[in-house]
Amino acid sequence: DAGVIQSPRHEVTEMGQEVTLRCKPISGHDYLFWYRQTMMRGLELLIYFNNNVPIDDSGMPEDRFSAKMPNASFSTLKIQPSEPRDSAVYFCASSTNTDTQYFGPGTRLTVL
Amino acid sequence: QQQVKQSPQSLIVQKGGISIINCAYENTAFDYFPWYQQFPGKGPALLIAIRPDVSEKKEGRFTISFNKSAKQFSLHIMDSQPGDSATYFCAASISGNEKLTFGTGTRLTIIP
Repeated sequence: DAGVIQSPRHEVTEMGQEVTLRCKPISGHDYLFWYRQTMMRGLELLIYFNNNVPIDDSGMPEDRFSAKMPNASFSTLKIQPSEPRDSAVYFCASSTNTDTQYFGPGTRLTVL
Repeated sequence: QQQVKQSPQSLIVQKGGISIINCAYENTAFDYFPWYQQFPGKGPALLIAIRPDVSEKKEGRFTISFNKSAKQFSLHIMDSQPGDSATYFCAASISGNEKLTFGTGTRLTIIP
């Protein structure tokens, strides 16, 4: 298996623009997680899905952030409008019910 | 409380020495304690994990020590090597709930 796939790997955008991050989980995994990593706040869970249904979105910072999982093999994290403080590395991870989460390589987002 | 406290924030160890990273938690419902290793530009990856029915788990040069009464657990890296230089995260979760609560991370540098 190719592991968790994220795209793009790097994204540079200007404040106010819409940003969409994409994730393809490992086939057969029924949990999908979105994390944000910054120097100041470390690794933060934003939202996670089970069988394509959002279970816990309490980590989503504000209404500018939204996440969807239309099917078992694809998820998006959208930021609209983006702000400089959204600059971070965003990770997607997937798992089965065996506790181990498998992380993707991340998307480095820079908002100017 | 869901917080997991990790220390130190950074650690420099000489090659061949023992690296020790500590974590403490508050929520006594936590019953799964993994450690993740992250190299620069990569996503975190599971290194080793323990459940509270044992006080120690060893995998190669990596050992988790667990103290249930003190609500603390630690990672020991024996014979530390330059290739161990990475950021290490402790985490905790409750069985049946896939959500991991991560510590703030420790940047480990092994010097020759």
